[in-house]
Amino acid sequence: SYELTQPPSVSVSPGQTARITCSGDALPKKYAYWYQQKSGQAPVLVIYEDSKRPSGIPERFSGSSSGTMATLTISGAQVEDEADYYCYSTDSSGNHRVFGGGTKLSVL
Amino acid sequence: QITLKESGPTLVKPTQTLTLTCTFSGFSLSTSGMGVGWIRQPPGKALEWLALIYWDDDKRYRPSLKSRLTITKDTSKNQVVLTMINMDPVDTATYYCAHIRRTGGYEQIDYWGQGTLVTVSS
Repeated sequence: SYELTQPPSVSVSPGQTARITCSGDALPKKYAYWYQQKSGQAPVLVIYEDSKRPSGIPERFSGSSSGTMATLTISGAQVEDEADYYCYSTDSSGNHRVFGGGTKLSVL
Repeated sequence: QITLKESGPTLVKPTQTLTLTCTFSGFSLSTSGMGVGWIRQPPGKALEWLALIYWDDDKRYRPSLKSRLTITKDTSKNQVVLTMINMDPVDTATYYCAHIRRTGGYEQIDYWGQGTLVTVSS
C-alpha cells in the first residue's frame, strides 16, 4: 500500500523557520495537501495543491514540492503554531488516499 | 459557510455495527464537484482516510476496510451516513466527516467536522 513519510517531530525557537517534509513516490505526479491539528481540535487545511494557501491562513505558511518530497515551511514560527501537521495525497493511480504519519511541531 | 457535524453512538460493543451520520450545511451534495468523506484518528495516532461519496454517487473506500464499510447520502436531508460492520476495539477512534471538493481531477478535503469519539468495548 502507498505511504507518505514524515519526521515524527520538528522543534524550532520562536521566530525561526520550521520545515516539515513529506516523502512519497507519487508526489512528482500528485499534489500534496497540508493540515494543522492543534490539541483536541479538528484538522485545518493550511496548504493545498502543493503551494496554495487558503484564505485566512497566515502568509508565514508556505508549501513546495520537488521530486518525491513536499515541504511545509513556516517562516517565523509562532508559539501558536505548535501543533501536529499532516500531509495528504494519493498514489499514482488515485485509488489510495493516504495521510502521512504526522509531525509534531514544537515552538519553544 | 460550510459546516459539518458528526452524530452517532459513543460506545459500541465488539462485533456490533457502527452507524455514523454527518449532517452538513453550506453546500449541496447535488452540486457537481461536491463530496463528503470520513476520516478517523485513533487516540494519539495519525489520521486515517476511510471513505468518500460524491455528488454523482461515486463512492470510494479504504481498500483494507472495503468489506466492512458502506457510505450513503441523503441529498434532501443534507446527510451522509457511514456504516462499519463487525466493530473491534482497534476501531476505537475519533471519526471525522469532511467536505471534499473535486476540481480538475484532484480532490481536496477543505472543511472538517468537530469529530466524534467512538469507543469499542464490551
